[in-house]
Amino acid sequence: DTGVSQNPRHKITKRGQNVTFRCDPISEHNRLYWYRQTLGQGPEFLTYFQNEAQLEKSRLLSDRFSAERPKGSFSTLEIQRTEQGDSAMYLCASSLSPRYNEQFFGPGTRLTVL
Amino acid sequence: RKEVEQDPGPFNVPEGATVAFNCTYSNSASQSFFWYRQDCRKEPKLLMSVYSSGNEDGRFTAQLNRASQYISLLIRDSKLSDSATYLCVVNGYSSASKIIFGSGTRLSIRP
Repeated sequence: DTGVSQNPRHKITKRGQNVTFRCDPISEHNRLYWYRQTLGQGPEFLTYFQNEAQLEKSRLLSDRFSAERPKGSFSTLEIQRTEQGDSAMYLCASSLSPRYNEQFFGPGTRLTVL
Repeated sequence: RKEVEQDPGPFNVPEGATVAFNCTYSNSASQSFFWYRQDCRKEPKLLMSVYSSGNEDGRFTAQLNRASQYISLLIRDSKLSDSATYLCVVNGYSSASKIIFGSGTRLSIRP
C-alpha cells in the first residue's frame, strides 16, 4: 500500500496523559499536514511541514501540541496533558509541492480522552 | 460568519436524480477551490478541482462564481455509491493555514 498511513488507528487515554501519533506520508511527497476533525465538522488545519521544516502552525495548536518531522519522512504529533476537548479524529495528509490542495489523507487516528 | 459555508443537508434524493449543492466563501482573495468526498468514518478524498471556466468529470460538474463567491457541485444520474459527505475546500494564496474546509453537505441516495 503506497498511500498515507497513520498509527495507531484508535487511542483511548485518560485525561492528563500524553499521547503520540505517527504519520507516514506517500514517499515522494515533501509536504505533510496535520488536521483535526470533530463530528459534523470539516478538517481543521493544525500544522504543516515542507520536508523537515515546520512552516506553519494554526492558532488552534496550543503549547500542549507538538509535531516533528525529523528526517523529512514520517511525522509525529504529540499531545501532552490531554484534555477531554482533545477528543477528535487526527488526520494526516501529504502532497507533492507545490499543489497545496491536492492532498492525500491517511485514515486518521481517533483519539478518545476519558 | 464562517469563512466557508455549506448547507449541511442531508440531501435525500432517489437514484438517478440530479442534485446540486453550493458552497460560499468569504475571502475574495481565495485562489483555489476543490471538492472532497468523505465517506462515514473514512478520510476525505479529492473529488475534483474547481476551475474558473467550470469543469466536468463524468457525472460531476463543478463551477466557480467569483463575483458571488460560491462554488457548486452538480451530480447527474446519481448512484447509491454517491452517498457521502461532500466537503468544499477554499485556499488562500501561498499559505497552508489558509486552507479552509467547509463542514460538509451530507448526501443520501435512496434506491
